[in-house]
Amino acid sequence: DGGITQSPKYLFRKEGQNVTLSCEQNLNHDAMYWYRQDPGQGLRLIYYSQIVNDFQKGDIAEGYSVSREKKESFPLTVTSAQKNPTAFYLCASSPTGSDGNTIYFGEGSWLTVV
Amino acid sequence: SQQGEEDPQALSIQEGENATMNCSYKTSINNLQWYRQNSGRGLVHLILIRSNEREKHSGRLRVTLDTSKKSSSLLITASRAADTASYFCAPSGSRLTFGEGTQLTVNP
Repeated sequence: DGGITQSPKYLFRKEGQNVTLSCEQNLNHDAMYWYRQDPGQGLRLIYYSQIVNDFQKGDIAEGYSVSREKKESFPLTVTSAQKNPTAFYLCASSPTGSDGNTIYFGEGSWLTVV
Repeated sequence: SQQGEEDPQALSIQEGENATMNCSYKTSINNLQWYRQNSGRGLVHLILIRSNEREKHSGRLRVTLDTSKKSSSLLITASRAADTASYFCAPSGSRLTFGEGTQLTVNP
């Protein structure tokens, strides 16, 4: 089935550790995105990529890093510099990065700092 | 860039009733989309309405768009408990941002 796969669904991080969230899509989409959602809140854009080997910071990029070496993959690393990383993380993709495209979401990953 | 603002923040109705939620935006658009998010899940695209359309239907969903008022509404008719979710609007030009949504609770 076509779609976006995020893993793991649940992840626990000790303070001071880096963790990487995986996102893979088989929709042949050019653009991919990472969002953060805190309980009861909207989505905030962390990073986005409109094409392989290129990505841009979103509104809350500090403490996060990404790579886009392959079209289908857009992993997000939550670094120790992110002081409050406990949240729900959503990966998404769209056919292109053009404004107004429909965005397709994965099922999300819960990250908890212990 | 702009962000759609949903209203009300929360809505609680009984099964079988209609649910209406609204979206306002600030600048002109090419299209506007509505998404649904079930608790702890990803967002799912519901419907897209273009700027030259005034109304669009999809099953029990009816979306209207008033570009003069820069607003849209989503009507869910004959609601079901399974419609309980958060609903988000995304006007084009929102640079991929989403507001806080409307939390709809449909009571059995």
